[in-house]
Amino acid sequence: NAGVTQTPKFRVLKTGQSMTLLCAQDMNHEYMYWYRQDPGMGLRLIHYSVGEGTTAKGEVPDGYNVSRLKKQNFLLGLESAAPSQTSVYFCASSSGTASNQPQHFGDGTRLSIL
Amino acid sequence: AQSVTQLGSHVSVSEGALVLLRCNYSSSVPPYLFWYVQYPNQGLQLLLKYTTGATLVKGINGFEAEFKKSETSFHLTKPSAHMSDAAEYFCAVRGGSNYKLTFGKGTLLTVNP
Repeated sequence: NAGVTQTPKFRVLKTGQSMTLLCAQDMNHEYMYWYRQDPGMGLRLIHYSVGEGTTAKGEVPDGYNVSRLKKQNFLLGLESAAPSQTSVYFCASSSGTASNQPQHFGDGTRLSIL
Repeated sequence: AQSVTQLGSHVSVSEGALVLLRCNYSSSVPPYLFWYVQYPNQGLQLLLKYTTGATLVKGINGFEAEFKKSETSFHLTKPSAHMSDAAEYFCAVRGGSNYKLTFGKGTLLTVNP
């Protein structure tokens, strides 16, 4: 009954370092999403994927890259971390093509860039 | 294009009082509407959703929301607040075949004893 699992849960980086956040879902969902959450800003979509091997930009994609090599996994990469990328990152997934299907969220990754 | 406005970034109520969290949306196509709740240090959990049909939608934990097309609103209510309702609440809209959600900025609900 795992749902959406994000690793790691916490991370501190220095400016310029790189890292990859991993999202895994066990619900056989087609669509996966990466959001960032900042105080007073709600959730903003970084990148999303509508299926294995496909990715697309959301509203705040700069400084991030993603890959979806397997249907169950969606990776978010920071090539050269900047303090502005300090945030809480959430992964979500949803099924099918019906717009009434809700997104299921992981518990988040809290990332600090010093 | 679609957007969501949540009126009031912080709402404070007494335990047992009515909870009313406001959400207005704009969408160029018939919308699908969602309310999510986020407890501290957790992800978002679906409270309820409106797709088609009945305009009064019941969700988990005693919450409900009413879709009012004429007012482009989808306000969330609960007759009697409980301490465990303290959390941040997000309204979200998805328009037509667009599978992307647009979120409001959230309303933090505080429940006072």
